[in-house]
Amino acid sequence: GAGVSQSPRYKVTKRGQDVTLRCDPISSHATLYWYQQALGQGPEFLTYFNYEAQPDKSGLPSDRFSAERPEGSISTLTIQRTEQRDSAMYRCASSPDAPLSSYNEQFFGPGTRLTVL
Amino acid sequence: AQTVTQSQPEMSVQEAETVTLSCTYDTSESDYYLFWYKQPPSRQMILVIRQEAYKQQNATENRFSVNFQKAAKSFSLKISDSQLGDAAMYFCAYRSPNDMRFGAGTRLTVKP
Repeated sequence: GAGVSQSPRYKVTKRGQDVTLRCDPISSHATLYWYQQALGQGPEFLTYFNYEAQPDKSGLPSDRFSAERPEGSISTLTIQRTEQRDSAMYRCASSPDAPLSSYNEQFFGPGTRLTVL
Repeated sequence: AQTVTQSQPEMSVQEAETVTLSCTYDTSESDYYLFWYKQPPSRQMILVIRQEAYKQQNATENRFSVNFQKAAKSFSLKISDSQLGDAAMYFCAYRSPNDMRFGAGTRLTVKP
């Protein structure tokens, strides 16, 4: 596609519900990143994929958070038993090359704004 | 873990003037890259400029340039001839083989 897309753009859920967010990276891109961005803050790294492999989960804040990229393209981020502190913008980014150790640009999606009531 | 600090939560500049946004970082790694991203009200993240740590020459992209001081771990962004469209949040970012960090951001206002 022309860019990174994410869906839904907005999600409102009740505390305790599970939510799944979707990211469609640029089709040729090997690496995909997930970030959490609280209002007024910079993005916080959650995890990344190199194709379908997930070498680094260190940024996931708890075991309620999980991510998948089973076919090395589309990715989902699932938050189980949501809590109010999970409310944030969740951003996905993709890059054509090797993860992290790279000079190349990450292309960011528009984000999903999650509100947990 | 590495940290990225942007000490100026807000900055203001007159249109056509020059403004400098500060960024410092803390790292023990030698191989890393530094970036400035712009986040306009649309909340997109747009790459402004990037710098390889092993390069001494400061990066420049049109009206945007950096002052990279490796020993001081400082990476400031200079915007020359500021335009109304430059108004946005600006995030400094650090990337290494082991880490990816963003600063908290600086909100830039451009006055006509």
